[in-house]
Amino acid sequence: KNEVEQSPQNLTAQEGEFITINCSYSVGISALHWLQQHPGGGIVSLFMLSSGKKKHGRLIATINIQEKHSSLHITASHPRDSAVYICAVSHDYKLSFGAGTTVTVRA
Amino acid sequence: ETGVTQSPTHLIKTRGQQVTLRCSSQSGHNTVSWYQQALGQGPQFIFQYYREEENGRGNFPPRFSGLQFPNYSSELNVNALELDDSALYLCASSLGQSGSGNTIYFGEGSWLTVV
Repeated sequence: KNEVEQSPQNLTAQEGEFITINCSYSVGISALHWLQQHPGGGIVSLFMLSSGKKKHGRLIATINIQEKHSSLHITASHPRDSAVYICAVSHDYKLSFGAGTTVTVRA
Repeated sequence: ETGVTQSPTHLIKTRGQQVTLRCSSQSGHNTVSWYQQALGQGPQFIFQYYREEENGRGNFPPRFSGLQFPNYSSELNVNALELDDSALYLCASSLGQSGSGNTIYFGEGSWLTVV
């Protein structure tokens, strides 16, 4: 079983809709990262969380350490939000990644 | 722009050959880690270097090796290439180890195709 599980695997939304991506993990962590990957391959770090909630523009990330669960929310989604969103956890000496959620936002 | 640069961006190799991928980390970052991402999957941890020493390794065979130089740039070497080595190879740098909750900066990756 993978240490990090994401859901859904794929998600299609209409522009303006609220989007939620979920991440569960099974190991003790020092931090959780939400990452964005565009088709070219490069990865951008959106958030790093160890507790609570963070907000940046239309993106909100929350984490519940006791339940080992995090969510990434996109409010008022836009076609430029289309990308793969990856959850990763820092533990031991490394990062472990989820398989990613492919988000497509239609105009 | 993360300040992490990788080269080459794309390359094609033949099975059995050797490849070297390079990474220049963000200025001041003493830790570099390498990941393999097969198509449609999340990245998998290969290994990490901290101050020129390997200090963590994932489930990859010894034909995957690396180096970190005094300026903290890094190389990933893969010997005896196999078809399954075809993937995007990502380098990431951080100040301190990636397992310690430090912000991590990724390069754009090197796409390797083995034929």
